[in-house]
Amino acid sequence: DAGVTQSPTHLIKTRGQQVTLRCSPKSGHDTVSWYQQALGQGPQFIFQYYEEEERQRGNFPDRFSGHQFPNYSSELNVNALLLGDSALYLCASSNDGEANYGYTFGSGTRLTVV
Amino acid sequence: QKEVEQNSGPLSVPEGAIASLNCTYSDRGSQSFFWYRQYSGKSPELIMSIYSNGDKEDGRFTAQLNKASQYVSLLIRDSQPSDSATYLCAVEGGGATNKLIFGTGTLLAVQP
Repeated sequence: DAGVTQSPTHLIKTRGQQVTLRCSPKSGHDTVSWYQQALGQGPQFIFQYYEEEERQRGNFPDRFSGHQFPNYSSELNVNALLLGDSALYLCASSNDGEANYGYTFGSGTRLTVV
Repeated sequence: QKEVEQNSGPLSVPEGAIASLNCTYSDRGSQSFFWYRQYSGKSPELIMSIYSNGDKEDGRFTAQLNKASQYVSLLIRDSQPSDSATYLCAVEGGGATNKLIFGTGTLLAVQP
């Protein structure tokens, strides 16, 4: 049973460019959450998608947007990249309605903005 | 602002000793608490969850929760060099999403 999968694993972009990161949830999960982890920091909640809609958003600008598809997979888009967007981007999936037993994260996408 | 505070370390312990990692949180309404282990360059791995006051043991790991003091801790017995990693404390932030609020993590170094 595949867990949470993310692609690509590494990415290098130039300031001002746009990037799309992808996440496939664990089988049976219908909810996807995205987190940003800057170097030396804990993960920070970006947003969560359920039923193809953004359900809650953390303290991130509108340059960060997302999408969830009917098969529950999700994309994270970041526009007008800044150097400060360099981070590990983590995806976690869960099943709505279940108690929170703790998220399992994917292996992450390491984004470097130069 | 809901916060989770951890000492960044590094916490250095000799092999075979007990490592004690601590975390405080600000939201008294939080009900679920988690410890994640993160090796350098890897994603966080869930190692313990705790929901009620008291202790919860799983192998060499013991999580302790004191909601009155808003304090969570993780004890690692018989520490091994392979336990060397950053340990992240996470608290459920409430609301419909069950989002997690993380501390900055404590770096643990187990010396052989």
